Amino acid sequence: AQSVTQLDSQVPVFEEAPVELRCNYSSSVSVYLFWYVQYPNQGLQLLLKYLSGSTLVKGINGFEAEFNKSQTSFHLRKPSVHISDTAEYFCAGGQNFVFGPGTRLSVLP
Amino acid sequence: NAGVTQTPKFQVLKTGQSMTLQCAQDMNHNSMYWYRQDPGMGLRLIYYSASEGTTDKGEVPNGYNVSRLNKREFSLRLESAAPSQTSVYFCASSPSRDTQYFGPGTRLTVL
Repeated sequence: AQSVTQLDSQVPVFEEAPVELRCNYSSSVSVYLFWYVQYPNQGLQLLLKYLSGSTLVKGINGFEAEFNKSQTSFHLRKPSVHISDTAEYFCAGGQNFVFGPGTRLSVLP
Repeated sequence: NAGVTQTPKFQVLKTGQSMTLQCAQDMNHNSMYWYRQDPGMGLRLIYYSASEGTTDKGEVPNGYNVSRLNKREFSLRLESAAPSQTSVYFCASSPSRDTQYFGPGTRLTVL
């Protein structure tokens, strides 16, 4: 079965610190990978996506992710977070958009 | 350009009542999807429609029916609501197997 795993349900981090949100996918997931962000009481917005080509993908708001086929991972990173980055982040993959359970990022002042 | 719209935004039902959640997109996308979002479980696919006139079950279809009325509209029906269907429901559309665009969601409570 296709699955996408996000190992951390919550990640607290201080403002201006770097952050990494982890995502792993099962090998049965075809290699279309996405990161979405959900702000409180809103729908999901696309941060970035990997379809093919360069394994380092840059997205909006200073986020980037690296596709690693050997580790079946697609971790999301930002070198310096802001208070406004506080939100829930979802990794998704496959042609039928299988979603992970989400990681709640809390940026502390 | 409205994108993906959903109605209603909020709904409270009693057990056994029926209702239809409406979704429309104005981006001429072929594919449309219905998800439910529950705490700690991410989004789970209920039904999807790859094109007008076709629908397929997702991960959690029991208790739901869908209709792809035309290319723009994709409705989700609960025939006999149950408390386990209390959730936030999201509709999405995509032009292909590439990037979904989400509506603002419908928050449903079943008492």
